[in-house]
Amino acid sequence: DAGVTQSPTHLIKTRGQHVTLRCSPISGHKSVSWYQQVLGQGPQFIFQYYEKEERGRGNFPDRFSARQFPNYSSELNVNALLLGDSALYLCASSLNGGAFSYEQYFGPGTRLTVT
Amino acid sequence: AQSVTQPDIHITVSEGASLELRCNYSYGATPYLFWYVQSPGQGLQLLLKYFSGDTLVQGIKGFEAEFKRSQSSFNLRKPSVHWSDAAEYFCAVGSNDYKLSFGAGTTVTVRA
Repeated sequence: DAGVTQSPTHLIKTRGQHVTLRCSPISGHKSVSWYQQVLGQGPQFIFQYYEKEERGRGNFPDRFSARQFPNYSSELNVNALLLGDSALYLCASSLNGGAFSYEQYFGPGTRLTVT
Repeated sequence: AQSVTQPDIHITVSEGASLELRCNYSYGATPYLFWYVQSPGQGLQLLLKYFSGDTLVQGIKGFEAEFKRSQSSFNLRKPSVHWSDAAEYFCAVGSNDYKLSFGAGTTVTVRA
């Protein structure tokens, strides 16, 4: 079975622009989470979606938004990009139910560079 | 609020030697605990998890971890390190809002 896939792999944007990152979960997983990992730090939670509904949100500004589609894939959108948004964006998928909601499997990430 | 501390930023170990990575967590309820490994430029791979029950858990690649509630710790161990174990290791705790909170990570260097 394929793991979590993300696209694009790398992206370079200019300050003020908008970006959309995409994620496809493991087959059978209905929950998708997004994390931001700045160089030298651990991942920081941005969102979790389940059945197209936002189920959790981290401490990120409203410039960050996401959605989940009927096939459980997801998009992360970031508006008005800042230099500080440069990071590796990780998508993770999980089964739903109790502890298994926390057992998250990560994709390879999208490296976003804002210039 | 939940938090994770990994006291060691960088550890260097000889190939064939044992490895122990420390993790301390802060969380009021029974925690869900995880160790992930990240190779340069890659995503995170789940090594092992603790939900409940036996406090010594086995993972992939020969890793194990022990949950000690009295010390709020979940240390990762491997008896004999291979050069391919050089990577960054992250400890994480699952909180009650479905998110994982990660530590800052420990970079492991393996010398021949």
